[in-house]
Amino acid sequence: GAGVSQSPSNKVTEKGKDVELRCDPISGHTALYWYRQRLGQGLEFLIYFQGNSAPDKSGLPSDRFSAERTGESVSTLTIQRTQQEDSAVYLCASSLGSGGNEQFFGPGTRLTVL
Amino acid sequence: KQEVTQIPAALSVPEGENLVLNCSFTDSAIYNLQWFRQDPGKGLTSLLLIQSSQREQTSGRLNASLDKSSGRSTLYIAASQPGDSATYLCAVLGSSNTGKLIFGQGTTLQVKP
Repeated sequence: GAGVSQSPSNKVTEKGKDVELRCDPISGHTALYWYRQRLGQGLEFLIYFQGNSAPDKSGLPSDRFSAERTGESVSTLTIQRTQQEDSAVYLCASSLGSGGNEQFFGPGTRLTVL
Repeated sequence: KQEVTQIPAALSVPEGENLVLNCSFTDSAIYNLQWFRQDPGKGLTSLLLIQSSQREQTSGRLNASLDKSSGRSTLYIAASQPGDSATYLCAVLGSSNTGKLIFGQGTTLQVKP
């Protein structure tokens, strides 16, 4: 079956512009996660959606970052007024049920802020 | 605050060798631990997931062990192949099961033919 998909695969933007990244989870997966991987660093948790519960936004690095999820499907991660330090690979994952289940990752979106 | 460390950061071995990758974590109150593989420019592929009540999991040539009390996990790769070359990441989920995986920095493995 189809895995987690993300778009675009690559995004180059100028400092100060807004960007929107998209994630399509595996069908039927109620949990969805966003992570960030900066060059030479480990993955950092950003935000977690579980069903209709309020999302866990504790990993968002600043108020320039926000994410939405429509029901139990598509999610978008928005970064406003991008900065060069936002350059990273943004990875989305989904899982069945609660966070204790295996997380399946998408291929990521490579964001470069010039 | 949970911290995950992986040693070594990089490893190069000849084909056919058995090898062990190490992962340690500072807070033993975990829900589970997951090993992933990441190929250059690609996302993560889940290899093995060990629940906190388990000691080990096996899949093909891979075996992962978990010693929760000492805060350690190992990933054993038997009879390594060039196709095993990748970065291996371990990640822990805290016992509060909030969904946040805490990742180590990874071990980059090169298997030479």
